[in-house]
Amino acid sequence: DIVMTQTPLSSPVTLGQPASISCRSSQSLVHSDGNTYLSWLQQRPGQPPRLLIYKISNRFSGVPDRFSGSGAGTDFTLKISRVEAEDVGVYYCTQATQFPYTFGQGTKLEIK
Amino acid sequence: QLQLQESGPGLVKPSETLSLTCTVSSGSISSSGYYWGWIRQPPGKGLEWIGSVSYSGTTFYNPSLKSRVTISVDASKNQFSLKLSSVTAADTAVYYCARHGGGWAYWGQGTLVTVSS
Repeated sequence: DIVMTQTPLSSPVTLGQPASISCRSSQSLVHSDGNTYLSWLQQRPGQPPRLLIYKISNRFSGVPDRFSGSGAGTDFTLKISRVEAEDVGVYYCTQATQFPYTFGQGTKLEIK
Repeated sequence: QLQLQESGPGLVKPSETLSLTCTVSSGSISSSGYYWGWIRQPPGKGLEWIGSVSYSGTTFYNPSLKSRVTISVDASKNQFSLKLSSVTAADTAVYYCARHGGGWAYWGQGTLVTVSS
């Protein structure tokens, strides 16, 4: 199985300041079709997860442009340019390049 | 906008079979290029992929659960289903159904299933 490791596991951030979450996979996430199926999910308290970013850097419909994704191979990053109160929650990276699909442990974003 | 809704018992006895159905609305389960999956989240913990099914019925399961899991699709009802046999307390979780096509784009609200006698 591909292990997804996120850092940090907890991130206290001041409103209006940037935030960054890293995700490292135990194997390359480049699929044989040339795509890299690395996504980022946001889970607000009491809510189902919500897709933010897919295939490393593509923002899903309705996702604010303060969210951005980058990376390649085994190292990926989610950045929030200016944190807002509604961004509080847990963020997961997830891979769909190889079965079984796997998730990172989650990073809890909280406001200082 | 595509909507998914889980349904099924919220309480299952140990050793019995957990059965859930996901009903898809405002879209067709037969759309090609997508997988329909089940993901669970134990209380206070992270996400675990259980398995997925394509519109044609091809299935993929997490090896950690494979011996106990069956996922099927009923295109005529625009539904897909999960059966998890021989459940224990460790299977207590919120179970989500979701659609995957490059990313887990659409999710149900989730349903809490508790395994207890």
